Amino acid sequence: DAGVIQSPRHEVTEMGQEVTLRCKPISGHDYLFWYRQTMMRGLELLIYFNNNVPIDDSGMPEDRFSAKMPNASFSTLKIQPSEPRDSAVYFCASSVQGFDQPQHFGDGTRLSIL
Amino acid sequence: SQQGEEDPQALSIQEGENATMNCSYKTSINNLQWYRQNSGRGLVHLILIRSNEREKHSGRLRVTLDTSKKSSSLLITASRAADTASYFCATDRNYGQNFVFGPGTRLSVLP
Repeated sequence: DAGVIQSPRHEVTEMGQEVTLRCKPISGHDYLFWYRQTMMRGLELLIYFNNNVPIDDSGMPEDRFSAKMPNASFSTLKIQPSEPRDSAVYFCASSVQGFDQPQHFGDGTRLSIL
Repeated sequence: SQQGEEDPQALSIQEGENATMNCSYKTSINNLQWYRQNSGRGLVHLILIRSNEREKHSGRLRVTLDTSKKSSSLLITASRAADTASYFCATDRNYGQNFVFGPGTRLSVLP
């Protein structure tokens, strides 16, 4: 069974550009999470969805960040405009039933904003 | 400060030895989870222990939970070089922003 798939694995772009990160969760998982990992702040929960509906986006750092889940098999995290401080590894994870069950992580997107 | 904090920050042992990592937290929880992260990869779930459980096992892994001390420990027995990774605890109080990862313990198992 395929795991959580993220693309791209690496992204390097200049500040001010729009960045779109993509995620395909495990089929049958009702919850999808977006995390950001940095050396300074560790792993931070940005937003999570239940059945394609955003439930809590209080971890999204600024209005420059937005996330969508148009269907059960696809989600995007968009940064517009990007800034150097957005450089981090962004992870997508999915689970069968929220925080009471194991989360399955993708291998992340390493984002570098120059 | 963070809800879950691992101790030690880094641990270096010889292959075959046991490794113990600790996680402390501040408020009551619904469950506590341990994850492993290999370099350049995503996190892999190891064990979930609920607030009404005291101990769980999975292969060479043993997790304990002491809710009175607000702490948990992860024991890896007979360590292998392949166990080299960072280990994180995550605590769940309720939903949303009450799910928090600790800063992790970096384990090095030397052959």
